[in-house]
Amino acid sequence: NAGVTQTPKFRVLKTGQSMTLLCAQDMNHEYMYWYRQDPGMGLRLIHYSVGEGTTAKGEVPDGYNVSRLKKQNFLLGLESAAPSQTSVYFCASSYVAGAGTDTQYFGPGTRLTVL
Amino acid sequence: AQSVTQLDSQVPVFEEAPVELRCNYSSSVSVYLFWYVQYPNQGLQLLLKYLSGSTLVKGINGFEAEFNKSQTSFHLRKPSVHISDTAEYFCAVSDYGGATNKLIFGTGTLLAVQP
Repeated sequence: NAGVTQTPKFRVLKTGQSMTLLCAQDMNHEYMYWYRQDPGMGLRLIHYSVGEGTTAKGEVPDGYNVSRLKKQNFLLGLESAAPSQTSVYFCASSYVAGAGTDTQYFGPGTRLTVL
Repeated sequence: AQSVTQLDSQVPVFEEAPVELRCNYSSSVSVYLFWYVQYPNQGLQLLLKYLSGSTLVKGINGFEAEFNKSQTSFHLRKPSVHISDTAEYFCAVSDYGGATNKLIFGTGTLLAVQP
């Protein structure tokens, strides 16, 4: 199993450009998450999905959109990138919501710089 | 609302010395607690988690943590660290009984093991 993979690994954008980050998991997990990691702030949840075709907002959703058309994929979109979105983005998945007990499995991250 | 506090942003320690990384949480309900580790340029992986039962939880790589309800703490310990333990460590709390399996992370503690 490849686990959770993220594409691309690195990206540099100019302000106002758009892009999509792809997360894929091969563990048949129901739940998927997008986080951003910034120095001194830990990981903050952007959006999450509790199943194919569903999405919900997390702690810091502004400026991002997501889609979960297939169970194994979770896409994160930036419509008009801003320097404040410079960050490392992590995708994670978990098997099923065991009332908060399940382990989340993380991808290797995407380092995004917005100039 | 739930929250997690990791007061130490960085903990320097010499190889083979013991270490304790502190984590305090705030919650009005029962909690599930997690420690994740992030090695340089990698995603996060689970070290250990407390769900119920024994308050002393053993994890991978010789780490253990103790759940203390009265002090609302979940400190991580290792009796003898190695250079390879150099990483960032995140404490997290999940939404107890919830249907989303969301995690709230602390800001992280960088463990720097020196020879």
